[in-house]
Amino acid sequence: KNQVEQSPQSLIILEGKNCTLQCNYTVSPFSNLRWYKQDTGRGPVSLTIMTFSENTKSNGRYTATLDADTKQSSLHITASQLSDSASYICVVSFTNAGNMLTFGGGTRLMVKP
Amino acid sequence: DAGVTQSPTHLIKTRGQQVTLRCSPKSGHDTVSWYQQALGQGPQFIFQYYEEEERQRGNFPDRFSGHQFPNYSSELNVNALLLGDSALYLCASSFWGTSGANVLTFGAGSRLTVL
Repeated sequence: KNQVEQSPQSLIILEGKNCTLQCNYTVSPFSNLRWYKQDTGRGPVSLTIMTFSENTKSNGRYTATLDADTKQSSLHITASQLSDSASYICVVSFTNAGNMLTFGGGTRLMVKP
Repeated sequence: DAGVTQSPTHLIKTRGQQVTLRCSPKSGHDTVSWYQQALGQGPQFIFQYYEEEERQRGNFPDRFSGHQFPNYSSELNVNALLLGDSALYLCASSFWGTSGANVLTFGAGSRLTVL
């Protein structure tokens, strides 16, 4: 069974600090790995998407890394802002699952002033 | 350029009732996927529609059904509602032609509460 696990479940940091969120997935091969940001009560918004051949992708203050050997990805947020408070969801598209995406449970980030 | 729009935004039903949720995809998109997101959980894939046919289905019972119209809009129907169906229902659209690397655009969701 394809699974995506994220850690930590929740995280509190002070404004201006950096943080790193983790994502582990089981089963392969996979097609691509995505990170989404979801504000409370809103739909997820895409931050990055990486194929198996890419090991890093940046989007402003967000940098995602991928290690296909260990089946791990991380999302690094630099110089956090209050608006970064949201859930961050790791999503994997497995090639043996057609067009289905498997979502992790998300990490709830709270940035405090 | 309108994004994905969903209606209604909130609704309350009682056990045993039926509900219909609606979704209009982003302009230029032809594929619609539906997800169920329980509080504090990640979205779970329900099914995907392209060319008015269900193309993929997740692990959901037959009480969950859908439809796609010629203008690419879609409906999600849930019959015989259970308390456990209370969740945020997300619609996501994409362009079928980009296959595996397609970026989904999500709507804001419909919050269903079953009493």
